[in-house]
Amino acid sequence: NAGVMQNPRHLVRRRGQEARLRCSPMKGHSHVYWYRQLPEEGLKFMVYLQKENIIDESGMPKERFSAEFPKEGPSILRIQQVVRGDSAAYFCASSPAGVRDNEQFFGPGTRLTVL
Amino acid sequence: AQSVTQLGSHVSVSEGALVLLRCNYSSSVPPYLFWYVQYPNQGLQLLLKYTSAATLVKGINGFEAEFKKSETSFHLTKPSAHMSDAAEYFCAVSHISGYALNFGKGTSLLVTP
Repeated sequence: NAGVMQNPRHLVRRRGQEARLRCSPMKGHSHVYWYRQLPEEGLKFMVYLQKENIIDESGMPKERFSAEFPKEGPSILRIQQVVRGDSAAYFCASSPAGVRDNEQFFGPGTRLTVL
Repeated sequence: AQSVTQLGSHVSVSEGALVLLRCNYSSSVPPYLFWYVQYPNQGLQLLLKYTSAATLVKGINGFEAEFKKSETSFHLTKPSAHMSDAAEYFCAVSHISGYALNFGKGTSLLVTP
């Protein structure tokens, strides 16, 4: 049973370009979460999605960031017009529906570097 | 909102010594608590979790943690450190009615020969 998959593992963008980060949850998981880890910091919650629905995006920056989890395919975190401050590790986690203990399974992360 | 504080951003122990990583939480209601480990350039791996069952929780790799409500603590321990334990450790909390995990800033564990 494959774990949470994220790609690319490393992404380099120049300021003003777009970054697309992909996350495939574990088989049987329908809940996806995105977190951002800045250097020397813990992970910060960004957004929680279920298939075709954004449940909570309270941790997302108001501009340039968006996320989706379509009926088919991976979840996508999209960052438009990247700036140097967007450089971070972005982690995706997944969980099955109906789990009460909130255990989340994390992917290996995408490390975004903005030049 | 619930949060966690990890005391000590860096902890150094000798191989074979006791490992103690501290985590205190703030929550007005009983939370779910987690310890995750992160090896360099990798994702987070769950070590153990507390979900209101036994207060002493045993995890993988010989780690355990004790939930102490009176102290609002969930410290992580291991009786004997191994070189392979060197990593970043994160404590996290979530409310039973919530889903987002709130992470501490992490403690970097160094194990010396």
